[in-house]
Amino acid sequence: EPEVTQTPSHQVTQMGQEVILRCVPISNHLYFYWYRQILGQKVEFLVSFYNNEISEKSEIFDDQFSVERPDGSNFTLKIRSTKLEDSAMYFCASRKAGTPYEQYFGPGTRLTVT
Amino acid sequence: DQQVKQNSPSLSVQEGRISILNCDYTNSMFDYFLWYKKYPAEGPTFLISISSIKDKNEDGRFTVFLNKSAKHLSLHIVPSQPGDSAVYFCAASASTNAGKSTFGDGTTLTVKP
Repeated sequence: EPEVTQTPSHQVTQMGQEVILRCVPISNHLYFYWYRQILGQKVEFLVSFYNNEISEKSEIFDDQFSVERPDGSNFTLKIRSTKLEDSAMYFCASRKAGTPYEQYFGPGTRLTVT
Repeated sequence: DQQVKQNSPSLSVQEGRISILNCDYTNSMFDYFLWYKKYPAEGPTFLISISSIKDKNEDGRFTVFLNKSAKHLSLHIVPSQPGDSAVYFCAASASTNAGKSTFGDGTTLTVKP
C-alpha cells in the first residue's frame, strides 16, 4: 500500500541554523500539506501546496518558512533560521484530486532546536 | 479562536463497550468533517469522514454522527477493542480552502481489557 514517507525521522539543530525536512508524497496525489505538533499540543496546519504553488498558509508560516517541490516527487519544508519554539513534530500529508479531503500523513520528523 | 474543539482530553472505556468521542465546531463554512487516529510516534491515520449533507456515516465498528444545527459531531466505536487505544483527532475542512484541515486538540482513548 502506498504511503507518505518523511526524512529524517529526527533532526537536531542549533538555533539560527537552516533545516530542510523532506517528504515523498503518494505518487498520484496532487495536494500537499505540512502540519506541526508541538509536544502536548494539537496538530496545527502550516501550509497547503497545489499546482506548484502555495494555496493557503497559516500565520505560523512566516518568512522563515518555505516549501518546494523540486523534482516532482519530493516535497520539502525549509526553515531558514530555526528558533527554539520551532521544536515540534512536523507532518507531511497528501491527498489526491477529487478525494473529499482525506489526507494521508507521513510518520513525521521530530525537530529539536537547541 | 479555536474553531474545532474536543472538550474531553481523555476517555476510558471497558473492552466491548461503546466509546463516544465528541467534537464541536464554530465555523459555519466547514462542510466536511474527518476523524483521525494517532498512535505515539506515528502520523495521524484517516479513520472516517462525513459530508455536511449527511447526518450519519458508518464504517464497520465506527460511526460518525453530525448535528449541523448544534455544530456538533461524534464518533462512536462499537464494540471498543484494546487496539483502539490511541489519540483521536476531529478535523474540519471547508470546500473553499484547498482541503486544509483544522484539527481539534485530540482525545486520548484508553480501552481496558
